[in-house]
Amino acid sequence: GEDVEQSLFLSVREGDSSVINCTYTDSSSTYLYWYKQEPGAGLQLLTYIFSNMDMKQDQRLTVLLNKKDKHLSLRIADTQTGDSAIYFCAESRGKGGYQKVTFGTGTKLQVIP
Amino acid sequence: ETGVTQSPTHLIKTRGQQVTLRCSSQSGHNTVSWYQQALGQGPQFIFQYYREEENGRGNFPPRFSGLQFPNYSSELNVNALELDDSALYLCASSLAGTSGSMDTQYFGPGTRLTVL
Repeated sequence: GEDVEQSLFLSVREGDSSVINCTYTDSSSTYLYWYKQEPGAGLQLLTYIFSNMDMKQDQRLTVLLNKKDKHLSLRIADTQTGDSAIYFCAESRGKGGYQKVTFGTGTKLQVIP
Repeated sequence: ETGVTQSPTHLIKTRGQQVTLRCSSQSGHNTVSWYQQALGQGPQFIFQYYREEENGRGNFPPRFSGLQFPNYSSELNVNALELDDSALYLCASSLAGTSGSMDTQYFGPGTRLTVL
């Protein structure tokens, strides 16, 4: 089955680290993504990780993947007020040129100044 | 910015009408996917077009249809609009390799459709 779950809300103080968690059910996922969506805007790709990797770091962002537990996390270091947004975890499966991406319901990150 | 554009930005229709939404993919991309994002939810996959053919579909009725043109731009058509069709419609483009490998999808800003 296909299901991606995230907690709905996270509140952190400016300067602290944020950790957003996600679980997925499809073990055949090839890519796992984190997208950011600000109010009234489309989806901004933040980072992604191949399913055969454990960790990926990109400036303030660290993605950890536990494939055994089907658990993905996004850590944002030194969280800023501009990081306030909804963060979507997504997993993709594909073969023969077809790729289907399944999104979670999103985690709303509130950064308190 | 991703280079994926969508038009119009906003649209208001009444129940029973038909609507066409448009998407221009990022330069070099040959695959377009469409998603529906209802308020407060994550995007839901509608379908994907590759080489002008639909090659994958989510759980949406046939009144949701699409086209992909030789320049890889795409249209989403929705017939017999219902109130629940009110949502943000997102398109995403990507590059499918000849071996069937798929690159990351990049999203456009979306079209917000309101059905009254």
